[in-house]
Amino acid sequence: IVMTQSPDSLAVSLGERATINCKSSQSVLYRSNNKNYLAWYQQKPGQPPKLLIYWASTREFGVPDRFGGSGSGTDFTLTISSLQAEDVALYYCQQYFTTPFTFGQGTKLEIK
Amino acid sequence: QVQLVESGGDVVQPGRSLRLSCAASGFTFSSTAMHWVREAPGKGLEWMAVISHDGKTIYYGDSVKGRFTASRDNPRNTLFLQMNSLRVEDTGVYYCVRSSVRTGTTEFWGQGTLVTVSS
Repeated sequence: IVMTQSPDSLAVSLGERATINCKSSQSVLYRSNNKNYLAWYQQKPGQPPKLLIYWASTREFGVPDRFGGSGSGTDFTLTISSLQAEDVALYYCQQYFTTPFTFGQGTKLEIK
Repeated sequence: QVQLVESGGDVVQPGRSLRLSCAASGFTFSSTAMHWVREAPGKGLEWMAVISHDGKTIYYGDSVKGRFTASRDNPRNTLFLQMNSLRVEDTGVYYCVRSSVRTGTTEFWGQGTLVTVSS
């Protein structure tokens, strides 16, 4: 499954909304449990990735509620409702519907 | 607290072999599946492999299938990645990652170890 993110880079003003899109080449919705096998990760410079969201919309414990995930099937969105300085990072989507688990190419988020 | 410490990264020539290790602590290693993921320079993240808690089931990414072998030593709380026939494009930071019991995918990441394949 090929994961494609858009845009490749994004500059947003502090306090404004940031939106990152992710599209999968085939559906990652498992109909028997109605779950989308889609995760989002944040990677800050010099650090390993950190899991933000799984099942497309469930925030990992400790992740601020300004981070939200939505979408189903093949089209997904990560939204940061009010950008903070500490949110500058690379963001990746990943499907875990089937092996090999695949990542999007990443979106670089910066402050405008 | 959960800790994953990778080691074994080095500079090697194309065609040579290398073995990475990952020492795990702070959780029940023998009950947890584990992943290897790499980050190539300027190329983002690439999932390499997942190994079941008992080491009996392993899945690989297409680019390493047949060349890399994941294994584990549960009594020693250690994960391994044997890398053979290394290529220049295998260069990158290799992460050991704990699998989520909720989803089965990558959850907690180590700091990574750098592998450079160059002549």
